[in-house]
Amino acid sequence: DVKVTQSSRYLVKRTGEKVFLECVQDMDHENMFWYRQDPGLGLRLIYFSYDVKMKEKGDIPEGYSVSREKKERFSLILESASTNQTSMYLCASSLLAGNTGELFFGEGSRLTVL
Amino acid sequence: DQQVKQNSPSLSVQEGRISILNCDYTNSMFDYFLWYKKYPAEGPTFLISISSIKDKNEDGRFTVFLNKSAKHLSLHIVPSQPGDSAVYFCAASGDGNNDMRFGAGTRLTVKP
Repeated sequence: DVKVTQSSRYLVKRTGEKVFLECVQDMDHENMFWYRQDPGLGLRLIYFSYDVKMKEKGDIPEGYSVSREKKERFSLILESASTNQTSMYLCASSLLAGNTGELFFGEGSRLTVL
Repeated sequence: DQQVKQNSPSLSVQEGRISILNCDYTNSMFDYFLWYKKYPAEGPTFLISISSIKDKNEDGRFTVFLNKSAKHLSLHIVPSQPGDSAVYFCAASGDGNNDMRFGAGTRLTVKP
């Protein structure tokens, strides 16, 4: 069965802390994505990666960075967390090298920054 | 700049009736559209999709209609069931990038 696993379901961090959100997929997918979900705004794309060590900015990359050292793992990094980064973070992957593939999502990581 | 818009934040229907969820997009380069369903505390799951070469795609109780000239798509659920209660996201891709754009979501409540 298809599986995207996010390392933490719930995190509470303090302003200024460095935060790592990990995502692993077991489907040998090419593409991986990080979205954040906020009420009234839906899912907004932060970064995506279409290959190992490759990354592309999405709509809201400011304050975030990503790392993809292995095909199955895509990490989202908040270098210095701020309260406006309190959100639900969703990782996803897709098979196709293009952009017509269905996305498979993890269960989400709810981050609260105090 | 939201390229995919779902203007109804919520919708409530009676069990057995039809649910119609709407979605508009602004980017004419989009050529593939999807609907995702999300339950609380879970990630979104794929529901149904449609390519721009079609105007209708049906899968059981779910049908998606695409009107390219109006840049509008809709999801019909017939008959609606209480288990359909969830947030539904419209998504679009195909503007030359490897990403996918989502709408804000519509919360559907199906009352028994």
